[in-house]
Amino acid sequence: AQKITQTQPGMFVQEKEAVTLDCTYDTSDPSYGLFWYKQPSSGEMIFLIYQGSYDQQNATEGRYSLNFQKARKSANLVISASQLGDSAMYFCAMREVNTGFQKLVFGTGTRLLVSP
Amino acid sequence: EPEVTQTPSHQVTQMGQEVILRCVPISNHLYFYWYRQILGQKVEFLVSFYNNEISEKSEIFDDQFSVERPDGSNFTLKIRSTKLEDSAMYFCASTRDPNQPQHFGDGTRLSIL
Repeated sequence: AQKITQTQPGMFVQEKEAVTLDCTYDTSDPSYGLFWYKQPSSGEMIFLIYQGSYDQQNATEGRYSLNFQKARKSANLVISASQLGDSAMYFCAMREVNTGFQKLVFGTGTRLLVSP
Repeated sequence: EPEVTQTPSHQVTQMGQEVILRCVPISNHLYFYWYRQILGQKVEFLVSFYNNEISEKSEIFDDQFSVERPDGSNFTLKIRSTKLEDSAMYFCASTRDPNQPQHFGDGTRLSIL
């Protein structure tokens, strides 16, 4: 079964608008971490934001915020005030603390295109 | 800001040859990982390494693969006899604490001919 599901293969947004990238996950481990990474066309993986399963507040990092809905098992990334440089692939990933050792399990990614 | 460094950035190798991909993790990090990403696909875990031994490996990480930390700074991935399907981007990652985010290098693009 897919542990991480990203249902949007591609998303378009206009510059300065906000965009939400969806991520749902599946785990029976009560302790886990959720991560978002950005992969520009140059190929590197850039860490954006992290949410722990026991964190009470939604994570925020600058223009990135994570809409964490634990009961629905979703961890959507919200990018506010999109910039042209935000055009990239975005991957959601999960680490299970008690059962997955330390590995990250990634989703299939969403390609975001920001237009002027 | 310290970063994970990978060399080479691109490696072209004949099928059947051995290849070694090199990584220098962030200096105070203790946990090391290799992932791969076949073109157009998602990132897949290969192996994790801690305290000079493998802590977990995936089904992809068969007998053709090995990892080593030959000194205090390098972390290498060796593929003994490369196959066409080994063509992918290989990422090294490290973290100081497994509960913290893993920091990725820029990757090595491996092309098997």
